[in-house]
Amino acid sequence: AQTVTQSQPEMSVQEAETVTLSCTYDTSENNYYLFWYKQPPSRQMILVIRQEAYKQQNATENRFSVNFQKAAKSFSLKISDSQLGDTAMYFCAFMKHGAGTYKYIFGTGTRLKVLA
Amino acid sequence: SAVISQKPSRDICQRGTSLTIQCQVDSQVTMMFWYRQQPGQSLTLIATANQGSEATYESGFVIDKFPISRPNLTFSTLTVSNMSPEDSSIYLCSVGRFNGQGDTQYFGPGTRLTVL
Repeated sequence: AQTVTQSQPEMSVQEAETVTLSCTYDTSENNYYLFWYKQPPSRQMILVIRQEAYKQQNATENRFSVNFQKAAKSFSLKISDSQLGDTAMYFCAFMKHGAGTYKYIFGTGTRLKVLA
Repeated sequence: SAVISQKPSRDICQRGTSLTIQCQVDSQVTMMFWYRQQPGQSLTLIATANQGSEATYESGFVIDKFPISRPNLTFSTLTVSNMSPEDSSIYLCSVGRFNGQGDTQYFGPGTRLTVL
């Protein structure tokens, strides 16, 4: 069975600094997707970034980028130039792809606080 | 992406009663999902609801307790039946766009349920 582990329950970063959130996963699958979702206090889950396992190039979305290490089964999120609005719970998620199966496995989350 | 609304946004209910949560999407989607997120916890999938077929429930969740309807491609309901305080949680609806080009789930704002 797939598992997703986020080993940092809480983190804080100064505004404008860079922070990295870690995520590791365990799977025997070869085709899958990995995601980072953000859940601010308003609780709306927002997709931050997506990575297809077959792509070697790390995904980037503006200030957000990932370091995807497939062999190590690691998928960390880097937030550059942190902003107060980045304060939220961040969830790493794994999705198996193919054969009509689309089930997400979520990590336990990392609570990030950006300090002014 | 997809715009998803949920009703009610929150409710306080008495033990033994039932609550039906509605999920409306702004476009047609094949796959809809219902999650539970207990306070400070990660997301747990309750069931997958595809239009035209019975919902598929995850281990630990049963139809008698969480009946789901999916009458069309833009709407679904989840009922929490015979509620107890242990059912106090946030219930999230999500939709999947799985076309091999950008497989992603998008989430509604959630329904915060408190059972007294």
